[in-house]
Amino acid sequence: GNSVTQMEGPVTLSEEAFLTINCTYTATGYPSLFWYVQYPGEGLQLLLKATKADDKGSNKGFEATYRKETTSFHLEKGSVQVSDSAVYFCALSASSNTGKLIFGQGTTLQVKP
Amino acid sequence: GAGVSQSPSNKVTEKGKDVELRCDPISGHTALYWYRQSLGQGLEFLIYFQGNSAPDKSGLPSDRFSAERTGGSVSTLTIQRTQQEDSAVYLCASSPEGFGNEKLFFGSGTQLSVL
Repeated sequence: GNSVTQMEGPVTLSEEAFLTINCTYTATGYPSLFWYVQYPGEGLQLLLKATKADDKGSNKGFEATYRKETTSFHLEKGSVQVSDSAVYFCALSASSNTGKLIFGQGTTLQVKP
Repeated sequence: GAGVSQSPSNKVTEKGKDVELRCDPISGHTALYWYRQSLGQGLEFLIYFQGNSAPDKSGLPSDRFSAERTGGSVSTLTIQRTQQEDSAVYLCASSPEGFGNEKLFFGSGTQLSVL
């Protein structure tokens, strides 16, 4: 069946450090891939997405590239800020016309000044 | 309202009791989803409503769980005879028609604690 695996957290970085959060998936067909973020005290919100192989999603300085050959969608940011501290979830959707998503277990990021 | 609203924000109950969790989606959104976030685990899909179609119940973990959506708007998730393993954050999300997973808006969730 379809599944998503994320690197375990928590991840603790200093401000301006480079961030990578690994995400790999297992799926039949050609899923869409997502990163969602949950800031403290807030609801889950979409950070970025990619709908086909080699697509790069980007938002707020974060990027992730859909790699079909390695079944990966790693999240990266060149210089993190304290305000990026949150829980990040990788997810996939096997069906483009529904919001029925399969999520990874989430990775907590803490950025220290 | 401006966003997806869930109530209560916190619910503490005793094992064996029934609970009802409420979700008010964004006005006009035709699709509504329930997810569960257990401690240390990712979000788990529970059930999905789309317009007047029969709901997709494939994620409900047992027959103690049920959900309904009245008038195409408000939804209630009911857990009967709660167990300790039901303790989790229950999240509701909605999306407008035709946007599927592109515009999915989540509520802040209901933290359920079963003692």
